[in-house]
Amino acid sequence: NAGVTQTPKFRILKIGQSMTLQCAQDMNHNYMYWYRQDPGMGLKLIYYSVGAGITDKGEVPNGYNVSRSTTEDFPLRLELAAPSQTSVYFCASSRTGGNSPLHFGNGTRLTVT
Amino acid sequence: SQKIEQNSEALNIQEGKTATLTCNYTNYSPAYLQWYRQDPGRGPVFLLLIRENEKEKRKERLKVTFDTTLKQSLFHITASQPADSATYLCALAPGYSSASKIIFGSGTRLSIRP
Repeated sequence: NAGVTQTPKFRILKIGQSMTLQCAQDMNHNYMYWYRQDPGMGLKLIYYSVGAGITDKGEVPNGYNVSRSTTEDFPLRLELAAPSQTSVYFCASSRTGGNSPLHFGNGTRLTVT
Repeated sequence: SQKIEQNSEALNIQEGKTATLTCNYTNYSPAYLQWYRQDPGRGPVFLLLIRENEKEKRKERLKVTFDTTLKQSLFHITASQPADSATYLCALAPGYSSASKIIFGSGTRLSIRP
């Protein structure tokens, strides 16, 4: 059972470039989340989704976009990358939202220079 | 403003003692509160979940309490071991109307010395 799979593991972007971070889960979870974690800090919620076709903003959504066309996939799009977006990005899923555990991927380490 | 605060950035205790970590929140009425463990370079791993109508939850050497009057959760590790060294994060769903939105505190780095 793969759980939550994130790709790529590492990426270096130049300022102004765009990219999509991929996240897929095979647990048939309706709820999916994107977080960013800066060095020595906790996780900040970027966007979340409660099911296919439904997304909502988290604490730090500016500079990011998401879509959820299937239950399995929840890609995060960075447009016009900025140094402030240098971070580790974690995707997570859960069966029923806040009253069930989050299952995390291993993260994508992104550097914007 | 709404905040989740974990008592300290780092906690250093002797092996065998009980580690107690604190999570305080302001201007939330969480329906659920969760605790996670994170090792360097890895994603967080779920440990325990407690609901607002529960006072205490246990799992092996772990215990979580939830005091909605004090707006605080305590996380205890009894008979601590060096392998318990990690960062511990609390997370909450802000309320029943936003129970799917899960936000995290900044974490406490726990070190258990032999």
